[in-house]
Amino acid sequence: GAVVSQHPSWVICKSGTSVKIECRSLDFQATTMFWYRQFPKQSLMLMATSNEGSKATYEQGVEKDKFLINHASLTLSTLTVTSAHPEDSSFYICSARVLYSASFTTETQYFGPGTRLLVL
Amino acid sequence: GQNIDQPTEMTATEGAIVQINCTYQTSGFNGLFWYQQHAGEAPTFLSYNVLDGLEEKGRFSSFLSRSKGYSYLLLKELQMKDSASYLCAVIDSNYQLIWGAGTKLIIKP
Repeated sequence: GAVVSQHPSWVICKSGTSVKIECRSLDFQATTMFWYRQFPKQSLMLMATSNEGSKATYEQGVEKDKFLINHASLTLSTLTVTSAHPEDSSFYICSARVLYSASFTTETQYFGPGTRLLVL
Repeated sequence: GQNIDQPTEMTATEGAIVQINCTYQTSGFNGLFWYQQHAGEAPTFLSYNVLDGLEEKGRFSSFLSRSKGYSYLLLKELQMKDSASYLCAVIDSNYQLIWGAGTKLIIKP
């Protein structure tokens, strides 16, 4: 199946620093990648949709200047949490959308393993 | 508005069968997914249904009725490792993925 990697898997940083998270599709090209955030015991919350070569589309309530998304290639998207604060501590998960052939089209999303961010 | 309903929590016994239901009201429909998420991990893909009927994959099966806005995930021969949250998600007419809150499945010996 399609494999998506994320790096790093764990980040602990001081308040005010910036953190970059990478999301890579390893064995397929992903024109669209998604960034989610999940707080403990809560559902996935979509933060933004990232299309290769264009600006990301942010969900309502997500600050685009704080969560910078770059999708420079068909296999890599990055999320940078700028000037992180303790309330940004969360589980950040990316996913990539696979488009199959025209005879069987799905919008299956495959998820990376997630990145745990702890801001002290 | 768009809404996906699934039970918050279910309990079942090892070796038994459990059915997790999902009902949805969305603006359009382009498919329904089931994902499994173990605590502290990212979701993993289980199944995709776009046509009515039952799709079987080993111990897991997924059913869809578009006219009723209803799906279920059926897990047979339950194992302890099946303890996880099961997420139902629907693609709407704008190809946006709408997520349910997930059903936490607890398996007891």
